[in-house]
Amino acid sequence: EIVLTQSPATLSFSPGERATLSCRASQSVSSSLIAWYQQKPGQAPRLLIQGASSRVPGIPDRFSGSGSGTDFTLTISRLEPEDFAVYFCQQYGSSSGTFGGGTKVEI
Amino acid sequence: QVQLRESGPGLVKPSETLSLTCNVSGYSIKSAHYWGWIRQSPEKGLEWIGSVYHSGSTYYNPSLQSRLTISVDTSKNQFSLRLTSVTAADTAVYYCARAPGQYQLLSLWGQGTLVTVSS
Repeated sequence: EIVLTQSPATLSFSPGERATLSCRASQSVSSSLIAWYQQKPGQAPRLLIQGASSRVPGIPDRFSGSGSGTDFTLTISRLEPEDFAVYFCQQYGSSSGTFGGGTKVEI
Repeated sequence: QVQLRESGPGLVKPSETLSLTCNVSGYSIKSAHYWGWIRQSPEKGLEWIGSVYHSGSTYYNPSLQSRLTISVDTSKNQFSLRLTSVTAADTAVYYCARAPGQYQLLSLWGQGTLVTVSS
């Protein structure tokens, strides 16, 4: 099973700042099948990025994804108040479709 | 507007069967796509449970496969989850979701329903 590690668990920023979130896989993820989700309190996760770098329709262009192999990154270029949330990465290239533990982006 | 909504008992006794249904509105489930179940708990985080294709083909998380059945009922425009022999470790918020491309890539989620396993 591929284990995804997101660290640190919490990052603190001010609105307007740039945020860079990390997701590291225990083994290479085939075809960069990495997704990123955003979850706000009391809500279901929302898909932001698929294929490591493709933004889902409707997602603002301040969100971008990059990486390959075992190291992947979600970047929020300029944090808006509504971006403070928990972010999860997921690999969907193996049988178990595992998620990372999440990074909370707080003010 | 496509919406998904989970329904089912909020409390299940240990060793019994957890059954949930996801009702889909705004889209005909028999048209296309995969339809999946995910759960989330403080202990285990997010966990993909399994998915079913609109034709009925299923894909299960190997860790749950021996206890799991996911099925689709196109006449009712819904799909269902059955998890047998539950324990406290199965306590979680359960979500249903649509996966239009790959069966684990979940693009539209229901609001979730809390299921507690307790006697």
